Amino acid sequence: IAGITQAPTSQILAAGRRMTLRCTQDMRHNAMYWYRQDLGLGLRLIHYSNTAGTTGKGEVPDGYSVSRANTDDFPLTLASAVPSQTSVYFCASSDEVGVTQYFGPGTRLTVL
Amino acid sequence: KNEVEQSPQNLTAQEGEFITINCSYSVGISALHWLQQHPGGGIVSLFMLSSGKKKHGRLIATINIQEKHSSLHITASHPRDSAVYICAAYGGAQKLVFGQGTRLTINP
Repeated sequence: IAGITQAPTSQILAAGRRMTLRCTQDMRHNAMYWYRQDLGLGLRLIHYSNTAGTTGKGEVPDGYSVSRANTDDFPLTLASAVPSQTSVYFCASSDEVGVTQYFGPGTRLTVL
Repeated sequence: KNEVEQSPQNLTAQEGEFITINCSYSVGISALHWLQQHPGGGIVSLFMLSSGKKKHGRLIATINIQEKHSSLHITASHPRDSAVYICAAYGGAQKLVFGQGTRLTINP
């Protein structure tokens, strides 16, 4: 692994299904973030984690949950997907809050 | 009104032209970021600055804290510079506020 990876690359999901987007970084960064990117709205923060064991809500947290059991992994879970969660999801990490963030390649999620 | 606004939203230019993308923000910030999103979707951080000017190759970023304004300049533009350029203001409390992006197309 080099940098930050996300899986899956893309997914089509039926409404009501549960889905976990995976994010893993090997840079030993303390802070990690989940964003969604929608046309015309730019990137919006869903959840963040300043360090392993802690998480916080961003701008658009409803319908999403996260966990940070260790430094490397920061999964994002949609408990019951809805069509409005169709988006491109980016995971990012930084050595500390406020400094340069490194982005994963993104996951394109379609909820039907 | 968005907290971070970019202009123009779309910009098309010929190879070799000098490019300027503007970013104005209404929040108090400790740092401003410029990001580049490639046509394939990947996002790369270009600059983080809190004052003055930074230069990397043909890219120059400036910020005026008093005027709450930042600019990204590209000298001798090339078709490979075609991308979406995003500014983001960091105001603390984990809140990185993003502009909507400027789509730049450089024609050969």
